[in-house]
Amino acid sequence: GQQLNQSPQSMFIQEGEDVSMNCTSSSIFNTWLWYKQDPGEGPVLLIALYKAGELTSNGRLTAQFGITRKDSFLNISASIPSDVGIYFCAGQNYGGSQGNLIFGKGTKLSVKP
Amino acid sequence: SAVISQKPSRDICQRGTSLTIQCQVDSQVTMMFWYRQQPGQSLTLIATANQGSEATYESGFVIDKFPISRPNLTFSTLTVSNMSPEDSSIYLCSVAVYNYGYTFGSGTRLTVV
Repeated sequence: GQQLNQSPQSMFIQEGEDVSMNCTSSSIFNTWLWYKQDPGEGPVLLIALYKAGELTSNGRLTAQFGITRKDSFLNISASIPSDVGIYFCAGQNYGGSQGNLIFGKGTKLSVKP
Repeated sequence: SAVISQKPSRDICQRGTSLTIQCQVDSQVTMMFWYRQQPGQSLTLIATANQGSEATYESGFVIDKFPISRPNLTFSTLTVSNMSPEDSSIYLCSVAVYNYGYTFGSGTRLTVV
């Protein structure tokens, strides 16, 4: 089945630094989603991308839907301690069964004050 | 976006018993999904809960082990049957909201002893 390769697996950064993470796939997706999960909580949607080449921002977060439809990246600028958590990319294909989401393995972000 | 209430938030269960997890949404939704997140892992779709028909299960998940009910457009239950320690995971309910993407409940953290 379809798989997403998400990298890096973990990051340790200093407060104020910028962060970049990405997801790649061997097959195309119609939608890319980026979620953040805090401990003990469900994933919360950060950004949704619906068109190849689309670049979307949400505050300090910016994400892009790759032109080939096989990749996406998420950038966080000027990181703060509350950015700590696990970030998941997810791809969706409407042609598949029920259009369910395929999740990457996550990027664990740690921010040192 | 939809607001999801998931119960219980956590439970510790004896092996061989069953646990039913409830998912209540504050609006009518067509598609509801159940995911499993094993410790330190990403999210894996268990099944899609269909209102008025049987749930559709993903490869590796069967109805006898994970029976699902969907009595109306705002509610669903997932039962984890005949539990073993390998079933210890976070179980998450999700709904698809038009033009917003997928929203997740806060999850049920299950520990089987």
